[in-house]
Amino acid sequence: GENVEQHPSTLSVQEGDSAVIKCTYSDSASNYFPWYKQELGKRPQLIIDIRSNVGEKKDQRIAVTLNKTAKHFSLHITETQPEDSAVYFCAASPSAGKSTFGDGTTLTVKP
Amino acid sequence: NAGVTQTPKFRILKIGQSMTLQCTQDMNHNYMYWYRQDPGMGLKLIYYSVGAGITDKGEVPNGYNVSRSTTEDFPLRLELAAPSQTSVYFCASSYSIKRGNTEAFFGQGTRLTVV
Repeated sequence: GENVEQHPSTLSVQEGDSAVIKCTYSDSASNYFPWYKQELGKRPQLIIDIRSNVGEKKDQRIAVTLNKTAKHFSLHITETQPEDSAVYFCAASPSAGKSTFGDGTTLTVKP
Repeated sequence: NAGVTQTPKFRILKIGQSMTLQCTQDMNHNYMYWYRQDPGMGLKLIYYSVGAGITDKGEVPNGYNVSRSTTEDFPLRLELAAPSQTSVYFCASSYSIKRGNTEAFFGQGTRLTVV
């Protein structure tokens, strides 16, 4: 089955700096790659996703890149703010298949 | 649409007791999942279902059972509660077909303590 590895497990940045979280996946059939943000005590919620026919997607300060050949995808957050502090999960899934999550990255943005 | 609804939000069980965590979704999603999340940790898949009548084990199924009699409902049963089952439980659903996938929608979580 699919295996998703996520790095780093913790990340601390100064407010205004950029943050990058990376994930690798093993199943070449995976074609949908969402990213979720989980604030303390809350449920995970989608912040951005990318499909395998696209190499990059941006939404304001958040971007995701996908390298299908290398089987890795990354989340980029620019101009970080304290409210970006949360746990971030990547996931991968094939069409007609279940999602597999990474272990999460705890991002701390220091004011 | 209500999305994914989980009940209860909080529960304290005594060792050896049983309970069922309820999960309902109204988005006609075919996939449903149960995860547990221990403090400071990631999501561990307990069971999942690809459609009504079909369930399969995840990474940590021991001590749990599920059923999926309808598309909407996916209850999780704990038969003999143990302290190791103290955790936050999330139900989730998504749509996954050959044409493509949707994001997973999560319930608000159930905080379970076994004493």
